[in-house]
Amino acid sequence: DAGVTQSPTHLIKTRGQHVTLRCSPISGHKSVSWYQQVLGQGPQFIFQYYEKEERGRGNFPDRFSARQFPNYSSELNVNALLLGDSALYLCASSPGTGYSYEQYFGPGTRLTVT
Amino acid sequence: ILNVEQSPQSLHVQEGDSTNFTCSFPSSNFYALHWYRWETAKSPEALFVMTLNGDEKKKGRISATLNTKEGYSYLYIKGSQPEDSATYLCAFGYAGGTSYGKLTFGQGTILTVHP
Repeated sequence: DAGVTQSPTHLIKTRGQHVTLRCSPISGHKSVSWYQQVLGQGPQFIFQYYEKEERGRGNFPDRFSARQFPNYSSELNVNALLLGDSALYLCASSPGTGYSYEQYFGPGTRLTVT
Repeated sequence: ILNVEQSPQSLHVQEGDSTNFTCSFPSSNFYALHWYRWETAKSPEALFVMTLNGDEKKKGRISATLNTKEGYSYLYIKGSQPEDSATYLCAFGYAGGTSYGKLTFGQGTILTVHP
């Protein structure tokens, strides 16, 4: 079975631009979570979506938004990029929305903002 | 702000050594504690999800214990092998607040096993 896939793998953007990151969950998984990982730190929770509805939001500004589609794939959008948005963005899927479900992570998208 | 701390930050051991790391988390409003292994150039991979005080889980040479009353979990690796070299992350699930589904990760312990 295919694992979680993310696209693109790498991305270079300029300050002020907009970016869209994409994630396809494991087949049958209805929950998708997004995390930001900066070197030397653990992943930080951005959003969780379940059945196309936002179920959780981390401490990120409104420049960050996301959505989930009927096929459970998801997009993370970041507007007005700042240098500090440079990070690895991880997507994770799970069968359900509770904490007892382990997260299955994708390979990540490396975003560099110049 | 929930604080999840892992120690040590990094660890170098020789092949065959046994080792352990610690994850500390808030002891109130506990829901779950996750352990993940993250090898370089790969995706983080789930090792264990623990929800009950006193839980002990084992997968091959790796095991974990959980103490929710005092807010800590230990991860043990018996007879470390070079392929165990990775960053080990713990993540805390908090039963409260408005951000349901939010896992709070520690900064990780980087393990290097030398042949």
